[in-house]
Amino acid sequence: LAKTTQPISMDSYEGQEVNITCSHNNIATNDYITWYQQFPSQGPRFIIQGYKTKVTNEVASLFIPADRKSSTLSLPRVSLSDTAVYYCLVGDMRGGANNLFFGTGTRLTVIP
Amino acid sequence: GAGVSQSPSNKVTEKGKDVELRCDPISGHTALYWYRQRLGQGLEFLIYFQGNSAPDKSGLPSDRFSAERTGESVSTLTIQRTQQEDSAVYLCASSSYTGTSYEQYFGPGTRLTVT
Repeated sequence: LAKTTQPISMDSYEGQEVNITCSHNNIATNDYITWYQQFPSQGPRFIIQGYKTKVTNEVASLFIPADRKSSTLSLPRVSLSDTAVYYCLVGDMRGGANNLFFGTGTRLTVIP
Repeated sequence: GAGVSQSPSNKVTEKGKDVELRCDPISGHTALYWYRQRLGQGLEFLIYFQGNSAPDKSGLPSDRFSAERTGESVSTLTIQRTQQEDSAVYLCASSSYTGTSYEQYFGPGTRLTVT
């Protein structure tokens, strides 16, 4: 079971870059790394997914080192609306759901 | 449809009663997942359906929990003889492998309160 470890919470001021690191020491060859965002009273929402190196989209960047045992979600210039819980998920969907593990996530609070 | 829908949005039931929660996935999505999220906690995987394959029930916490899915459409999660510890938000998600990614689309959830 590829489990993940994330900080429980983080605080950041508006306008700053936020980096949230996730550890996944037991990641398997076929596993992808996916990050989700969850606002209160809503289901999680996909942010970004990657396998190795760096992935960037309009919302965030995902940095994955060569050994893939960790990954870092980078949110540029956060705003108050980025206050949410962020989950790191590791797994190979094609292999079934028995290796899906959302964990408790990282609660990010953006301060004015 | 526009997204994953779930019903009811809220359900209050007495301890010992049975409840049924419904999930309508995005049309064409082959995979469907059920999760449970207790207050202030992360998501707990319950069950996974993929096409016509046998479902992965490894996350169901007890035999009081069961789920059905008809083909690649609606799914129903049933909790029999509800207990207070079953109180949580039950989330459904669907997905389909695009060849490069596997994004889960979540519904708004059903908030279950067992009194």
